[in-house]
Amino acid sequence: DVKVTQSSRYLVKRTGEKVFLECVQDMDHENMFWYRQDPGLGLRLIYFSYDVKMKEKGDIPEGYSVSREKKERFSLILESASTNQTSMYLCASRDPGRGTEAFFGQGTRLTVV
Amino acid sequence: AQRVTQPEKLLSVFKGAPVELKCNYSYSGSPELFWYVQYSRQRLQLLLRHISRESIKGFTADLNKGETSFHLKKPFAQEEDSAMYYCALSVSYNNNDMRFGAGTRLTVKP
Repeated sequence: DVKVTQSSRYLVKRTGEKVFLECVQDMDHENMFWYRQDPGLGLRLIYFSYDVKMKEKGDIPEGYSVSREKKERFSLILESASTNQTSMYLCASRDPGRGTEAFFGQGTRLTVV
Repeated sequence: AQRVTQPEKLLSVFKGAPVELKCNYSYSGSPELFWYVQYSRQRLQLLLRHISRESIKGFTADLNKGETSFHLKKPFAQEEDSAMYYCALSVSYNNNDMRFGAGTRLTVKP
């Protein structure tokens, strides 16, 4: 069973804090993704990584950064959390071959107060 | 960048009725298209992919390149089909990133 594990299910942080969301996958996938999921907006791509230390901006990278020092781990960093970053964050991993399935973590519900 | 549009945020049908969830995409090359589903309190999971031309849980989807659409269909909806459905597009030119639509919440009434 492919496992994509996000370090926290729920997080509450204060405005201005630096926040780390961690994601680990155990299937040696090359591609990893961070999305935020908001009602009415669906899943919006924040960043993705196609190899260790390689990253690409998605559609909404502002206010976020990422780190991929090891193949199995992809971290999302909120440099200075703001209330408009309150959301559900989903991590996914996938092999880059044609038609391959993406596997998702359970999500982290982040509330910034 | 490639885009996915799901025009219906909410869709409600009665059990046994046909259902169609619409998905349109914008990409001029050869796309990879998927439908993902999220049942209540569960992770997002793959429902089907166009490359397999498969039927899963009675659902099918046909890629129409002329209309740039990948609509999801089921002839007879069941209550257990109630869920959030997302259409997704992946393109190989950009390291196989994957983008999703806004999603359609399907409710199947008894």
